[in-house]
Amino acid sequence: DIQMTQSPSSLSASVGDRVTITCQASQDISNYLNWYQQKPGKAPKLLIYDASNLETGVPSRFSGSGSGTDFTFTISSLQPEDIATYYCQQYDNLRITFGQGTRLEIK
Amino acid sequence: EVQLVESGGGVVQPGGSLRLSCAASGFTFDDYAMHWVRQAPGKGLEWVSLISGDGGSTYYADSVKGRFTISRDNSKNSLYLQMNSLRTEDTALYYCAKDDNYGDFNLWGQGTLVTVSS
Repeated sequence: DIQMTQSPSSLSASVGDRVTITCQASQDISNYLNWYQQKPGKAPKLLIYDASNLETGVPSRFSGSGSGTDFTFTISSLQPEDIATYYCQQYDNLRITFGQGTRLEIK
Repeated sequence: EVQLVESGGGVVQPGGSLRLSCAASGFTFDDYAMHWVRQAPGKGLEWVSLISGDGGSTYYADSVKGRFTISRDNSKNSLYLQMNSLRTEDTALYYCAKDDNYGDFNLWGQGTLVTVSS
């Protein structure tokens, strides 16, 4: 199975900061990479699909980039409501794996 | 309203069985593949299983293959997960999720908790 290495595992930042999370796949997954936000006690929410496409209704401060094995997720200006755990997820050859998650806290 | 609602979770002894259900509403159910994803307490997300829109194709994570069976009844807009030979490591919150397009999970249920314990 394809392994997804997500970093960092936790992150503390201030409101207004630019935040970046990376995800590396163990083999080429083209652009089959999604990003999810999970707030405590809630189901995950799709933010970015196919590496760089913003899901409908998601604020434009969220963005994604990358292809092949290296991917980046960015929050351009951190807001208090962005406190959550973020996961990357790949979908290749009908097998799905998630990254370990990045817990984002406000400094 | 577009939603998924899981049910059927509970406490079961190791080696036991449980059947989870997921009721879908607000969209054309048989147009979409569906998945089960689980999350152990305090841990990350783990994909469990996938079923195609017509139910003809199914796929499983290695950790559940041979023990779990995914199925769907499109006439009832429902998804199921039959879990047999349960282990303590199967303890988790089980989510059903709608696959919008090749692995994009754009709709999730609230989850149903399965606890495997003696």
